[in-house]
Amino acid sequence: AQSVSQHNHHVILSEAASLELGCNYSYGGTVNLFWYVQYPGQHLQLLLKYFSGDPLVKGIKGFEAEFIKSKFSFNLRKPSVQWSDTAEYFCAVIQTGANNLFFGTGTRLTVIP
Amino acid sequence: KAGVTQTPRYLIKTRGQQVTLSCSPISGHRSVSWYQQTPGQGLQFLFEYFSETQRNKGNFPGRFSGRQFSNSRSEMNVSTLELGDSALYLCASSLYQSSTDTQYFGPGTRLTVL
Repeated sequence: AQSVSQHNHHVILSEAASLELGCNYSYGGTVNLFWYVQYPGQHLQLLLKYFSGDPLVKGIKGFEAEFIKSKFSFNLRKPSVQWSDTAEYFCAVIQTGANNLFFGTGTRLTVIP
Repeated sequence: KAGVTQTPRYLIKTRGQQVTLSCSPISGHRSVSWYQQTPGQGLQFLFEYFSETQRNKGNFPGRFSGRQFSNSRSEMNVSTLELGDSALYLCASSLYQSSTDTQYFGPGTRLTVL
């Protein structure tokens, strides 16, 4: 069965620190990958997505993610976090040709000013 | 364009009752998906509708059902509520819900079962 793992449940960083959130999935076929963010009191929003091509994708608000097929990973990165990045981050995978997302359990990021 | 809207935003029910939640997709979107979000299980797929047809269903009991109307609005129903059904129910819409479509999420309906 397809699954998505986010190993960091809660990450606490100071402003200006660099961020990397891990995401691994288990599925041997072709997948499309997403990172969503849920700011406090707001609904889920798309940060970035990967379908094909350059494995390094850039999203909104300075976020980027790298797809490493051999490691089944799609880690999210940001070189310098801000207090406003405090949120919960979800990695999601969809099998090519399918129509339902599989989500990781989420990583809560707290940025200390 | 207006985003995905869900009503009601909050709901309190007691065990054994049934509940109906509503979702209005972004104008022009024909696919609506429903997800359940709980602290323990995270976000889990319930079902997806496209052009009034359920195309896919997650691993939930038959007490969870849904439908989609000709204007793409969707409802989900949970019968015989259990305490474990307390969750945030999210609706997402996309144009066609192919694997390359972006799903846009609504604010959710917070259901509390007492």
